Amino acid sequence: EAGVAQSPRYKIIEKRQSVAFWCNPISGHATLYWYQQILGQGPKLLIQFQNNGVVDDSQLPKDRFSAERLKGVDSTLKIQPAKLEDSAVYLCASSLATGTQYFGPGTRLLVL
Amino acid sequence: GESVGLHLPTLSVQEGDNSIINCAYSNSASDYFIWYKQESGKGPQFIIDIRSNMDKRQGQRVTVLLNKTVKHLSLQIAATQPGDSAVYFCAENLDSGANNLFFGTGTRLTVIP
Repeated sequence: EAGVAQSPRYKIIEKRQSVAFWCNPISGHATLYWYQQILGQGPKLLIQFQNNGVVDDSQLPKDRFSAERLKGVDSTLKIQPAKLEDSAVYLCASSLATGTQYFGPGTRLLVL
Repeated sequence: GESVGLHLPTLSVQEGDNSIINCAYSNSASDYFIWYKQESGKGPQFIIDIRSNMDKRQGQRVTVLLNKTVKHLSLQIAATQPGDSAVYFCAENLDSGANNLFFGTGTRLTVIP
C-alpha cells in the first residue's frame, strides 16, 4: 500500500515570496492533516480536513496560510507571503475518519 | 491548556539494553495516546498506541505503559538496536471524534553499538 506522498521534498525561498506544498493521502483515507514542525519541536496541527471540508483550522495563521482539498483527495498548503519564522518541515498525514494518522516524508522549507 | 512533555530530551543506551522513554501529559480528559518514531529526514512513523481504558499494551519489542493517576506514559523498547536511534514523540488525543493530536517535544534516542 502506498503511503502519504508529498512534494516538493525541499524548498528554499526568500521572505515575502509565495510557496505551495502538495499532499496525496493514502487511498481511501477521508481525513487529511497538515502539520508544521519547527526544528527541535513536535509537529503542530495547522489544519484538518474531513473529505473536502475543514474540521479544524484554529491553529492556521490565516493571514498568510491557506489550504484546500477541493475534491476530497489531494491537498495543497500555501504560504503567501512567507516569513523567516515559517522555516520548518511541513508534514501531511492522513487517516480513516478517525484512528491512526500516517505521515508523509514532509517538505523542508527554508525562508531566507 | 493542554500540554504533552517529555522528562528527558536525550537518551543514550548500549545496543542490546532496554530503553525507557517517558512522557508526561497534563489533560486528564485525553483518551488516546500514541508513540511515534521519527528518523532524520523522515516523517513520524506510528509505533504503538493505547487507549485510556488500558494501562499496558505490548507490540513487537515495544511496550507502552499508561498511568492515569500521575498522567504518565512510557515507551519501553526491548533489546535496543542501532535502527532504533531516532526521536520519539508521544502524542495525546483530546477528542477522539475529531482525532486531534497534540505532540510533545520529543526524546532523542541514541543507540551505542
